[in-house]
Amino acid sequence: DIQMTQSPSSLSASVGDRVTITCRASQSISSYLNWYQQKPGKAPKLLIYAASSLQSGVPSRFSGSGSGTDFTLTISSLQPEDFATYYCQQSYSTLPRYTFGQGTKLEIK
Amino acid sequence: QVQLQESGPGLVKPSQTLSLTCTVSGGSISSGGYYWSWIRQHPGKGLEWIGYIYYSGSTYYNPSLKSRVTISVDTSKNQFSLKLSSVTAADTAVYYCASTRIYGGGGTALDYWGQGTLVTVSS
Repeated sequence: DIQMTQSPSSLSASVGDRVTITCRASQSISSYLNWYQQKPGKAPKLLIYAASSLQSGVPSRFSGSGSGTDFTLTISSLQPEDFATYYCQQSYSTLPRYTFGQGTKLEIK
Repeated sequence: QVQLQESGPGLVKPSQTLSLTCTVSGGSISSGGYYWSWIRQHPGKGLEWIGYIYYSGSTYYNPSLKSRVTISVDTSKNQFSLKLSSVTAADTAVYYCASTRIYGGGGTALDYWGQGTLVTVSS
């Protein structure tokens, strides 16, 4: 199985900060990497697919980069509504088709 | 924009079968270009993919659950369903259905999700 490891597990930041979350795959997954945002009591929301493509309707302050085993999600200027938990997910391997990182909780400093 | 809504019992007894249905609106399950997925999230934990189905009926399951999972599709009702047999307390979770877009290059992403439904396994 491909394991996905996110860092950090939690992060405190202030409105206006630039934030970077890292996701590492246990083997190369090319660019088959997606990022999701989840707020308490809500379903996850797709932010970035194919490592760097912005999902329709998602603000441009969100960006993704990377390929192979190392990926990053960057929020250029944190807004109050961005405080949430973020998950990466690989869609490279056949079985199990998808595995998720353990999540990064972004909290207000 | 596609919308999805899960429905089914919120309480299931141990050893019984959990059954959920996802109703899709704003798009056709039969239109192609999408898989239709089930994902669960244990209380306070991360996300676990259960499996998905194509409108043709082809299915792919997480090997860790494969022996107990069945996903089916009813294109006439624009619905797909999940059955998980022999449940235990460890199956207590929020269950989500999601559309799974197939984009260029063979990649996929869970682009729209239902709101989720909490299923508790308890006697």
